[in-house]
Order: sequence, then C-alpha cells, then structure tokens
Amino acid sequence: GQNIDQPTEMTATEGAIVQINCTYQTSGFNGLFWYQQHAGEAPTFLSYNVLDGLEEKGRFSSFLSRSKGYSYLLLKELQMKDSASYLCAVRGSGTYKYIFGTGTRLKVLA
Amino acid sequence: DSGVTQTPKHLITATGQRVTLRCSPRSGDLSVYWYQQSLDQGLQFLIQYYNGEERAKGNILERFSAQQFPDLHSELNLSSLELGDSALYFCASSPTPDGTARGGYTFGSGTRLTVV
Repeated sequence: GQNIDQPTEMTATEGAIVQINCTYQTSGFNGLFWYQQHAGEAPTFLSYNVLDGLEEKGRFSSFLSRSKGYSYLLLKELQMKDSASYLCAVRGSGTYKYIFGTGTRLKVLA
Repeated sequence: DSGVTQTPKHLITATGQRVTLRCSPRSGDLSVYWYQQSLDQGLQFLIQYYNGEERAKGNILERFSAQQFPDLHSELNLSSLELGDSALYFCASSPTPDGTARGGYTFGSGTRLTVV
C-alpha cells in the first residue's frame, strides 16, 4: 500500500527557519508535490520534485531523496502569514493519482 | 481566483438526500480531480477524469459518482447522504493527466457540505 507520514504540528518563531519532513512508502515513484493550505481555503502549489536534490524557490526550498523515500520543505525568514498546513503528496508508478499526507500545521509566533 | 470554479460554496442537506457538486476547470486544463477533506482525514483522492474519460479512482464510495462533460466541466454526485459525508469537497485541474505541467494541480475553493 501507500503511506505518507508528516509531523502533525510544528511551531516556529517569526524570522526563523523551519524544516517540515515527509516520508513516504509507495509502489514506485513518479513525483512529489508540496502544497500550502490556509484553514478553510484551497491548497496552493509550492513545489514539485521528481529527481533527487534541492529545488529552491525564494524563501521556500524542497528536497528529495528517492532512495530514502524522504522529502523536506524548508521555509526561511518565516513570516506570520506562513502559518498554515503544509501538505506532501506523492504519485506512485502506474497511476495518475497523487496521495496526500494529512499535513503539518505550522504555527509562526511573533 | 485560481481559475477553477466550484459551485455551490456551501450546501446543507439532510441525511438520505442526493446532491450534485459542480466544477469548471481552469481554461486549457483537460484533467479534473475530486478530493474530499474531512477534519481528521486530510485530503482523500476520490476520482480523476481526463478529457472526458475516467483515469484514476481512489476510495470513492459506491454512493458517489462523477463525470466529465464534453465542455470539460465535471460533476460529483453524492447520494444517500450520511452524517459522515460532511466535508470539504475540492476539485482541482491540470493540463495533463499527471498534474506535473505548469505547477501541479490548481485547486478550486471547495464546496463545504454539511449533512444534518
């Protein structure tokens, strides 16, 4: 079966750096997404990884290790507006569907 | 505005009833996905259509069905509703079947269904 694990909650301080981890077990691998979701709103796309390594996009970076079934999302220079849930989603082989983890609720404190 | 339109935004209905949720994908997107999000379950994949054809199916209940029409809009039909069906239902779209082009899926703002 497929399984995606993320920490349930994390807390960090404004201006700091936080790393949100995602581990997955899937039948094969065909891509990993990170989404941000504010409460009651639609998820919005943050990053996509299909090859090993780091993808950087402004204050957000995402890393993938396919051999370890592991990804992380790195958020730098945290702002209050970064308080949200961060969802990891993975696609296995032979399927078009992405399976989402339950998400990590990040609280940014002043 | 993400470009994906979902109607209605809110729906309150009684147990045993049937409802239809509607989704218009972003212009140019051929693929439509339906997800259910409950408080304790995260985003659960229901079903995907690409250019009118079913492409992938998740743990969609037999009481639920969906289709994608020639104009690419999609409808999700939920019947014999139960209290546990109360959730946010999201539609997402992408240009390709695998959702990787142009920034993954684009989600609509969702339909909040409350079954009483």
